[in-house]
Amino acid sequence: NAGVTQTPKFQVLKTGQSMTLQCAQDMNHEYMSWYRQDPGMGLRLIHYSVGAGITDQGEVPNGYNVSRSTTEDFPLRLLSAAPSQTSVYFCASKLGGKINEQFFGPGTRLTVL
Amino acid sequence: GENVEQHPSTLSVQEGDSAVIKCTYSDSASNYFPWYKQELGKRPQLIIDIRSNVGEKKDQRIAVTLNKTAKHFSLHITETQPEDSAVYFCAARWNDYKLSFGAGTTVTVRA
Repeated sequence: NAGVTQTPKFQVLKTGQSMTLQCAQDMNHEYMSWYRQDPGMGLRLIHYSVGAGITDQGEVPNGYNVSRSTTEDFPLRLLSAAPSQTSVYFCASKLGGKINEQFFGPGTRLTVL
Repeated sequence: GENVEQHPSTLSVQEGDSAVIKCTYSDSASNYFPWYKQELGKRPQLIIDIRSNVGEKKDQRIAVTLNKTAKHFSLHITETQPEDSAVYFCAARWNDYKLSFGAGTTVTVRA
């Protein structure tokens, strides 16, 4: 199993550009989520999905879109990048149910100039 | 939602000493409390977790305690080693899916 994979590892964008961060998992996990990590602020939930076709907003959803057309993939779209979106982005997945370990991907470091 | 506060933000300990990190949570419905370790440039990885029906859990040199009444939980690392140097995050789950994280504690173990 590759676990949770993310691409790209690094990305530099100019303000106003759009892009998609890719996330995939091969563990047949129902739940997938996106977090951003900023210094001194821990990990904050952007969007999450409890299964294919179902998505919902987390703490900091503005400026981001998601979709979940398959169990395996959960891409995160930045519609019009802003310097405030400079961050490290982590995708995570877990089995459904009440108490299960959440597995993180390796992260994408995004810089918006 | 859930609000998790974590203290201290930085912790420096001598090798062989113990380290303690404390977290508080706001939502009494939270029922699962994991701790993650993140090394520089790496992903967070689960090191230990505790459920709300358990007061203490131990795994070798690490242990977690939970006080539901006071809504706080703590991570204890004994006999610290240089490889324990990392950022540690506590978290609380208040429904089946959503985790709220503390801001993190940077632990430095001095040789």
